Amino acid sequence: EVQLVQSGAEVKKPGESLKISCKGSGYSFTTYWIGWVRQMPGKGLEWMGIIYPGDSDTRYSPSFQGQVTISADKSISTAYLQWSSLKASDTAMYYCARHRGDRSSDAFDVWGRGTMVTVSS
Amino acid sequence: EIVLTQSPGTLSLSPGERATLSCRASQSVSSPYLAWYQQKPGQAPRLLIYGASSRATGIPDRFSGSGSGTDFTLTISRLEPEDLAVYYCQQYGGSPFTFGQGTKLEIK
Repeated sequence: EVQLVQSGAEVKKPGESLKISCKGSGYSFTTYWIGWVRQMPGKGLEWMGIIYPGDSDTRYSPSFQGQVTISADKSISTAYLQWSSLKASDTAMYYCARHRGDRSSDAFDVWGRGTMVTVSS
Repeated sequence: EIVLTQSPGTLSLSPGERATLSCRASQSVSSPYLAWYQQKPGQAPRLLIYGASSRATGIPDRFSGSGSGTDFTLTISRLEPEDLAVYYCQQYGGSPFTFGQGTKLEIK
Protein backbone atom coordinates (compact mmCIF):
# COMPACT_ATOMS: atom_id res chain seq x y z
CA GLU A 1 0.00 0.00 0.00
CA VAL A 2 1.29 3.45 -0.94
CA GLN A 3 1.47 5.63 2.17
CA LEU A 4 2.83 8.90 3.43
CA VAL A 5 3.25 8.94 7.20
CA GLN A 6 3.75 12.34 8.79
CA SER A 7 5.31 13.20 12.12
CA GLY A 8 3.17 14.13 15.09
CA ALA A 9 1.68 17.41 16.22
CA GLU A 10 4.03 20.11 17.46
CA VAL A 11 3.60 22.99 19.91
CA LYS A 12 6.33 25.60 19.69
CA LYS A 13 7.09 29.14 20.81
CA PRO A 14 7.71 32.06 18.43
CA GLY A 15 11.33 32.19 17.32
CA GLU A 16 11.92 28.45 17.75
CA SER A 17 13.01 26.17 14.92
CA LEU A 18 11.13 23.13 13.69
CA LYS A 19 11.49 20.30 11.18
CA ILE A 20 8.55 18.04 10.39
CA SER A 21 8.74 14.87 8.35
CA CYS A 22 6.87 12.78 5.80
CA LYS A 23 7.94 9.17 5.22
CA GLY A 24 6.92 7.43 2.03
CA SER A 25 6.42 3.69 1.67
CA GLY A 26 4.99 1.21 -0.83
CA TYR A 27 6.48 2.90 -3.89
CA SER A 28 9.76 4.14 -5.37
CA PHE A 29 10.32 7.25 -3.24
CA THR A 30 13.01 8.70 -5.49
CA THR A 31 10.87 8.87 -8.66
CA TYR A 32 7.82 10.84 -7.49
CA TRP A 33 7.69 14.51 -6.56
CA ILE A 34 6.52 15.25 -3.01
CA GLY A 35 4.81 18.50 -2.11
CA TRP A 36 3.77 20.42 0.99
CA VAL A 37 0.41 22.11 1.45
CA ARG A 38 -0.58 24.49 4.25
CA GLN A 39 -4.06 24.79 5.69
CA MET A 40 -4.52 27.49 8.29
CA PRO A 41 -7.34 26.97 10.81
CA GLY A 42 -10.70 27.16 9.06
CA LYS A 43 -9.11 28.15 5.76
CA GLY A 44 -8.32 26.68 2.35
CA LEU A 45 -5.36 24.85 0.86
CA GLU A 46 -2.13 26.65 -0.07
CA TRP A 47 0.56 25.08 -2.25
CA MET A 48 3.98 25.66 -0.64
CA GLY A 49 6.40 23.79 -2.88
CA ILE A 50 7.63 20.45 -4.16
CA ILE A 51 10.80 18.37 -4.15
CA TYR A 52 12.07 15.53 -6.32
CA PRO A 53 13.80 13.17 -3.87
CA GLY A 54 15.90 11.61 -6.62
CA ASP A 55 18.04 14.70 -7.02
CA SER A 56 16.54 17.17 -4.48
CA ASP A 57 15.34 19.53 -7.22
CA THR A 58 13.04 21.89 -5.30
CA ARG A 59 10.44 24.44 -6.38
CA TYR A 60 8.83 26.96 -4.03
CA SER A 61 5.78 29.15 -4.16
CA PRO A 62 6.91 32.80 -4.02
CA SER A 63 4.69 33.14 -0.94
CA PHE A 64 6.83 30.62 0.94
CA GLN A 65 10.27 31.11 -0.65
CA GLY A 66 12.71 32.11 2.09
CA GLN A 67 10.17 31.33 4.82
CA VAL A 68 10.58 27.54 4.86
CA THR A 69 13.01 24.92 3.59
CA ILE A 70 11.92 21.74 1.84
CA SER A 71 14.38 18.86 1.79
CA ALA A 72 14.52 15.09 1.45
CA ASP A 73 16.68 12.17 2.53
CA LYS A 74 16.21 9.48 -0.09
CA SER A 75 18.16 6.93 1.97
CA ILE A 76 15.28 6.83 4.45
CA SER A 77 12.46 7.79 2.04
CA THR A 78 11.62 10.92 4.01
CA ALA A 79 10.79 14.47 3.03
CA TYR A 80 11.01 17.42 5.39
CA LEU A 81 9.60 20.88 5.93
CA GLN A 82 11.51 23.16 8.26
CA TRP A 83 11.43 26.60 9.78
CA SER A 84 14.38 28.44 11.32
CA SER A 85 12.27 30.92 13.28
CA LEU A 86 8.58 30.23 13.75
CA LYS A 87 5.89 32.89 13.92
CA ALA A 88 2.39 32.69 15.34
CA SER A 89 1.10 32.96 11.77
CA ASP A 90 2.76 29.60 10.99
CA THR A 91 0.06 27.91 13.07
CA ALA A 92 -1.60 25.51 10.62
CA MET A 93 -2.05 21.95 9.46
CA TYR A 94 0.68 20.92 7.05
CA TYR A 95 0.09 18.12 4.59
CA CYS A 96 2.61 16.31 2.46
CA ALA A 97 1.35 14.77 -0.75
CA ARG A 98 2.77 12.81 -3.67
CA HIS A 99 2.47 13.65 -7.33
CA ARG A 100 0.41 11.20 -9.36
CA GLY A 101 3.22 10.63 -11.85
CA ASP A 102 6.90 11.37 -12.20
CA ARG A 103 6.42 14.79 -13.79
CA SER A 104 7.07 18.09 -12.03
CA SER A 105 3.58 19.23 -13.05
CA ASP A 106 0.96 16.87 -11.69
CA ALA A 107 -1.90 16.46 -9.25
CA PHE A 108 -1.44 15.03 -5.75
CA ASP A 109 -2.83 11.50 -5.58
CA VAL A 110 -1.59 10.34 -2.17
CA TRP A 111 -1.77 12.51 0.95
CA GLY A 112 -0.43 12.24 4.45
CA ARG A 113 -2.79 12.77 7.39
CA GLY A 114 -1.24 16.10 8.21
CA THR A 115 0.93 17.56 10.97
CA MET A 116 -0.62 20.24 13.14
CA VAL A 117 1.85 22.96 14.09
CA THR A 118 0.84 25.37 16.84
CA VAL A 119 3.02 28.39 17.56
CA SER A 120 2.12 30.25 20.72
CA SER A 121 3.89 32.09 23.49
CA GLU B 1 0.45 33.39 -10.57
CA ILE B 2 -2.83 31.86 -11.75
CA VAL B 3 -5.73 32.75 -9.46
CA LEU B 4 -8.58 30.25 -9.26
CA THR B 5 -12.03 31.48 -8.23
CA GLN B 6 -14.59 28.89 -7.19
CA SER B 7 -18.34 29.39 -7.09
CA PRO B 8 -20.62 29.18 -5.33
CA GLY B 9 -19.00 29.53 -1.92
CA THR B 10 -21.60 27.24 -0.38
CA LEU B 11 -24.03 24.87 -2.05
CA SER B 12 -26.94 23.26 -0.18
CA LEU B 13 -28.70 20.39 -1.93
CA SER B 14 -30.72 17.28 -1.12
CA PRO B 15 -29.68 13.66 -1.59
CA GLY B 16 -30.29 12.51 -5.14
CA GLU B 17 -29.88 15.99 -6.61
CA ARG B 18 -27.13 17.09 -8.98
CA ALA B 19 -24.34 19.45 -7.86
CA THR B 20 -22.47 21.72 -10.27
CA LEU B 21 -19.31 23.41 -8.96
CA SER B 22 -17.40 26.00 -10.94
CA CYS B 23 -13.71 26.91 -11.06
CA ARG B 24 -12.58 29.91 -13.10
CA ALA B 25 -8.92 30.70 -13.77
CA SER B 26 -7.42 34.18 -14.17
CA GLN B 27 -5.53 32.92 -17.24
CA SER B 28 -5.68 29.85 -19.43
CA VAL B 29 -4.60 26.61 -17.74
CA SER B 30 -2.31 24.65 -20.02
CA SER B 31 -2.90 21.03 -21.11
CA PRO B 32 -5.36 21.30 -19.11
CA TYR B 33 -3.66 20.65 -15.83
CA LEU B 34 -6.65 21.04 -13.55
CA ALA B 35 -7.52 18.81 -10.58
CA TRP B 36 -10.40 18.57 -8.14
CA TYR B 37 -10.10 17.42 -4.52
CA GLN B 38 -12.62 16.54 -1.85
CA GLN B 39 -11.90 17.32 1.79
CA LYS B 40 -14.29 15.89 4.35
CA PRO B 41 -14.35 17.34 7.89
CA GLY B 42 -11.24 16.39 9.84
CA GLN B 43 -9.64 14.56 6.92
CA ALA B 44 -6.88 15.14 4.40
CA PRO B 45 -7.91 16.07 0.86
CA ARG B 46 -8.58 13.29 -1.64
CA LEU B 47 -7.96 13.50 -5.38
CA LEU B 48 -11.16 13.15 -7.41
CA ILE B 49 -10.30 14.40 -10.91
CA TYR B 50 -7.05 15.17 -12.75
CA GLY B 51 -6.42 16.45 -16.25
CA ALA B 52 -9.77 18.28 -15.95
CA SER B 53 -11.84 15.17 -16.72
CA SER B 54 -10.06 11.95 -15.69
CA ARG B 55 -11.32 10.24 -12.54
CA ALA B 56 -8.72 9.17 -10.01
CA THR B 57 -8.48 5.54 -8.91
CA GLY B 58 -11.50 4.37 -6.93
CA ILE B 59 -13.62 7.48 -7.55
CA PRO B 60 -17.24 6.62 -8.41
CA ASP B 61 -18.60 7.67 -11.78
CA ARG B 62 -21.06 10.03 -10.03
CA PHE B 63 -18.13 12.46 -10.09
CA SER B 64 -17.20 14.01 -13.42
CA GLY B 65 -15.07 16.93 -14.54
CA SER B 66 -15.14 19.06 -17.64
CA GLY B 67 -13.81 22.27 -19.07
CA SER B 68 -10.79 23.84 -20.67
CA GLY B 69 -9.00 27.15 -20.92
CA THR B 70 -10.26 29.22 -18.00
CA ASP B 71 -13.57 27.55 -17.12
CA PHE B 72 -13.88 24.20 -15.39
CA THR B 73 -16.74 22.30 -13.76
CA LEU B 74 -17.07 19.47 -11.28
CA THR B 75 -20.42 17.69 -11.45
CA ILE B 76 -21.70 15.31 -8.81
CA SER B 77 -24.77 13.49 -9.99
CA ARG B 78 -27.11 11.79 -7.51
CA LEU B 79 -25.78 13.35 -4.31
CA GLU B 80 -25.30 11.12 -1.31
CA PRO B 81 -25.04 12.21 2.35
CA GLU B 82 -21.36 11.19 2.37
CA ASP B 83 -20.60 13.88 -0.25
CA LEU B 84 -20.69 16.50 2.51
CA ALA B 85 -17.30 18.17 2.10
CA VAL B 86 -15.33 21.12 0.81
CA TYR B 87 -14.25 20.79 -2.81
CA TYR B 88 -11.12 22.46 -4.15
CA CYS B 89 -9.82 22.92 -7.66
CA GLN B 90 -6.08 23.17 -8.33
CA GLN B 91 -4.14 24.13 -11.42
CA TYR B 92 -0.76 22.55 -12.00
CA GLY B 93 -0.01 24.05 -15.39
CA GLY B 94 2.09 26.90 -14.07
CA SER B 95 4.08 27.27 -10.87
CA PRO B 96 3.00 28.01 -8.19
CA PHE B 97 0.34 25.31 -8.47
CA THR B 98 -2.49 27.26 -6.89
CA PHE B 99 -5.74 26.09 -5.30
CA GLY B 100 -9.13 27.72 -5.44
CA GLN B 101 -10.68 28.90 -2.20
CA GLY B 102 -13.10 25.97 -2.06
CA THR B 103 -16.83 25.29 -2.34
CA LYS B 104 -18.59 23.90 0.71
CA LEU B 105 -21.23 21.33 -0.18
CA GLU B 106 -23.99 20.90 2.38
CA ILE B 107 -26.46 18.05 2.21
CA LYS B 108 -29.97 18.93 3.37
